[in-house]
Amino acid sequence: DGGITQSPKYLFRKEGQNVTLSCEQNLNHDAMYWYRQDPGQGLRLIYYSQIVNDFQKGDIAEGYSVSREKKESFPLTVTSAQKNPTAFYLCASSLQGNSDLYEQYFGPGTRLTVT
Amino acid sequence: QKEVEQDPGPLSVPEGAIVSLNCTYSNSAFQYFMWYRQYSRKGPELLMYTYSSGNKEDGRFTAQVDKSSKYISLFIRDSQPSDSATYLCAMSAQGAQKLVFGQGTRLTINP
Repeated sequence: DGGITQSPKYLFRKEGQNVTLSCEQNLNHDAMYWYRQDPGQGLRLIYYSQIVNDFQKGDIAEGYSVSREKKESFPLTVTSAQKNPTAFYLCASSLQGNSDLYEQYFGPGTRLTVT
Repeated sequence: QKEVEQDPGPLSVPEGAIVSLNCTYSNSAFQYFMWYRQYSRKGPELLMYTYSSGNKEDGRFTAQVDKSSKYISLFIRDSQPSDSATYLCAMSAQGAQKLVFGQGTRLTINP
């Protein structure tokens, strides 16, 4: 089955610890995205990557980092510098970065709780 | 002011009712308009998309775009309990590298 997998589904961390969220896709998509979803705020873009070894900051990149060493993988690290890390994190991908931007496919999400 | 405004609800209607979900936006450069459906604790799934103005119909769902008023709508006919979800509007400009999402409207269809 083709799709996007995110792991784990639930993640708990202590304040001050870095944590890495996994995102893998087997759709052969070039572009990948990370969003954060908070109640009442919709989806906010953290980082995106249109090609391997290249990525750009989204609207709320502070306190986050990413890498794109392989086409199918786009891990997100939530660092201790992120002031409010508790949220639902969604990974998405699309075939190409610009031409079919509307067809973004989402993973099931990771709910991160930091205490 | 947010680029995209969407009433967060919650909206609760009886089964079989016609549902109207709406978004307004301020950026006149937006040309691609999308509706995503998100079930609880799941990722969003693309429901419909429309380019520029006009209507698009898919089964019980109709998407409308009025660019002159900067207003988009999603209509659900003969609503079912399985339609209960959060509906997110999203939009982008030509050549844009990102989507802008509304806050999402939480919809419940009561049997």
